[in-house]
Amino acid sequence: GQQVMQIPQYQHVQEGEDFTTYCNSSTTLSNIQWYKQRPGGHPVFLIQLVKSGEVKKQKRLTFQFGEAKKNSSLHITATQTTDVGTYFCAGQGEYGNKLVFGAGTILRVKS
Amino acid sequence: DTAVSQTPKYLVTQMGNDKSIKCEQNLGHDTMYWYKQDSKKFLKIMFSYNNKELIINETVPNRFSPKSPDKAHLNLHINSLELGDSAVYFCASSLFKNEQFFGPGTRLTVL
Repeated sequence: GQQVMQIPQYQHVQEGEDFTTYCNSSTTLSNIQWYKQRPGGHPVFLIQLVKSGEVKKQKRLTFQFGEAKKNSSLHITATQTTDVGTYFCAGQGEYGNKLVFGAGTILRVKS
Repeated sequence: DTAVSQTPKYLVTQMGNDKSIKCEQNLGHDTMYWYKQDSKKFLKIMFSYNNKELIINETVPNRFSPKSPDKAHLNLHINSLELGDSAVYFCASSLFKNEQFFGPGTRLTVL
């Protein structure tokens, strides 16, 4: 079945440093979504990427979808303490209904 | 106005008991989901209903039974609770194959 791998599992950065999490799917995706979960909270949708090679920005966050539609990345520039949480990618297969979540990357920011 | 609500927020119970978790969404979505998040934060889809029809039924013990009385509600009943059922259960909703909105979660502890 479809698998979505996400690395790193955990990252601890100094405030102001950049952060990147990577996502790889075992199959071609129709779209990939990114979610953020604050400690003790629930996943909150950030963005959806649909097109091959797509790049989207939200303030300090940059999301990319690979040309083959099998990988994606989330880059945060100049992290802040408010960025703390777990970032999940979630891929939807070309023919399937379900969203398969990566294991998530836990981001901690030292001030 | 809460978009996706779940009750109860916390559930502590003994092994062998039967319990239910309720979920309601007021977003007008046609698809609802149950996810299980274990202690390592891994999010796994359990069930999904689209217009009250079961469309995703992952490899879940048949002690778990979802019920969707209408498009706005999706309940989860668990029979004969086991220690391994302890987790956070999230309900979510979406328009079919679009971004998902998660409820606040139900933390289930089986003693």
